[in-house]
Amino acid sequence: DTAVSQTPKYLVTQMGNDKSIKCEQNLGHDTMYWYKQDSKKFLKIMFSYNNKELIINETVPNRFSPKSPDKAHLNLHINSLELGDSAVYFCASSQSGTAGANVLTFGAGSRLTVL
Amino acid sequence: SQELEQSPQSLIVQEGKNLTINCTSSKTLYGLYWYKQKYGEGLIFLMMLQKGGEEKSHEKITAKLDEKKQQSSLHITASQPSHAGIYLCGAGYYNTDKLIFGTGTRLQVFP
Repeated sequence: DTAVSQTPKYLVTQMGNDKSIKCEQNLGHDTMYWYKQDSKKFLKIMFSYNNKELIINETVPNRFSPKSPDKAHLNLHINSLELGDSAVYFCASSQSGTAGANVLTFGAGSRLTVL
Repeated sequence: SQELEQSPQSLIVQEGKNLTINCTSSKTLYGLYWYKQKYGEGLIFLMMLQKGGEEKSHEKITAKLDEKKQQSSLHITASQPSHAGIYLCGAGYYNTDKLIFGTGTRLQVFP
């Protein structure tokens, strides 16, 4: 029933490790996003994919690599984790080319803690 | 400085009181979107405003977009504990695909 689902919900790991967060949407949307929310609750876009193609790539360290195997999935892989990567990562989706193209449906978030 | 500033940063009100949250953009908006986030959850879409002067309401929440399309306000009438959470405005700008979020306003409503 869940529209945008992310796994895992919580992730605790050591510095230097590599980890992945998965996201899937069943809304039939063609655009998916990764946002990062820091400790001050500021939400910033990282990546956006439209029909598996990267369309937004903000100034994110290249340790972060998104992958979209199909338009319903957008995964985020992070190499060599650093303390500053600790945050809540949100996946979202929307349908482009409509009046509601910026009406995003968000997942519940994945809280990453790097020790 | 942020493209999209919200005020106040934090608000604590007594149940039943009215309140207003403001969202100000440094440039003309294509569209303005209000979202609400409850603790430990994702953002829930509330309302979208696109036309200058537009006003929309949903239950006890009213949002307006000013004529110049650079500022929006969210007004809650007779607040309830269920209104508590973080309110974020999101802006769409011309010539860009991305949605930029404001700095957020944390609302607490006590009985």
